[in-house]
Amino acid sequence: DGGITQSPKYLFRKEGQNVTLSCEQNLNHDAMYWYRQDPGQGLRLIYYSQIVNDFQKGDIAEGYSVSREKKESFPLTVTSAQKNPTAFYLCASSMGGSAEAFFGQGTRLTVV
Amino acid sequence: KQEVTQIPAALSVPEGENLVLNCSFTDSAIYNLQWFRQDPGKGLTSLLLIQSSQREQTSGRLNASLDKSSGRSTLYIAASQPGDSATYLCAPIGGFQKLVFGTGTRLLVSP
Repeated sequence: DGGITQSPKYLFRKEGQNVTLSCEQNLNHDAMYWYRQDPGQGLRLIYYSQIVNDFQKGDIAEGYSVSREKKESFPLTVTSAQKNPTAFYLCASSMGGSAEAFFGQGTRLTVV
Repeated sequence: KQEVTQIPAALSVPEGENLVLNCSFTDSAIYNLQWFRQDPGKGLTSLLLIQSSQREQTSGRLNASLDKSSGRSTLYIAASQPGDSATYLCAPIGGFQKLVFGTGTRLLVSP
């Protein structure tokens, strides 16, 4: 099946640890995105990439890092510099331009 | 900076009613607008994409309209069903292909 796969579904992080969230797509999309969702708030853009080996900061990039070495993969690292990482993280992709975007099923990250 | 407002924030109706969900945005310089639904604890499912050159888009019992000049979009749901219960999100697509989201409308359709 074509789509976007996020893993793991649930992730627990200890204080001071870096963790990496995986996002893979087999839709042959050029653009990929990472959003963060908190209760009662809209989705906020963390990073986005329009093409391999290039990415831009979104509205809340501090404490996060990404890479885009392959077209189908866009992993997100939540670093220890992110002070409030507990949230629901969503990855999306599109053909680029203003094309329709598709989302994965999300990763719920909890700090323990 | 684009800001998106969705009204109402929550809606509870009996099965069979026709519904109207509203989305307004502050920057009319958008390319397209996309509507999504989100079930609890899940990702977003794309419902409709309205291109800036269109005024309406239909998919089954769903019909979405877009008025760029006034910064508004409306999602109509005909003959609502309990399976329509979810949070509905709109996202105008502007510069740099970024989608900007509102906080959504939480819909509950009771049997």
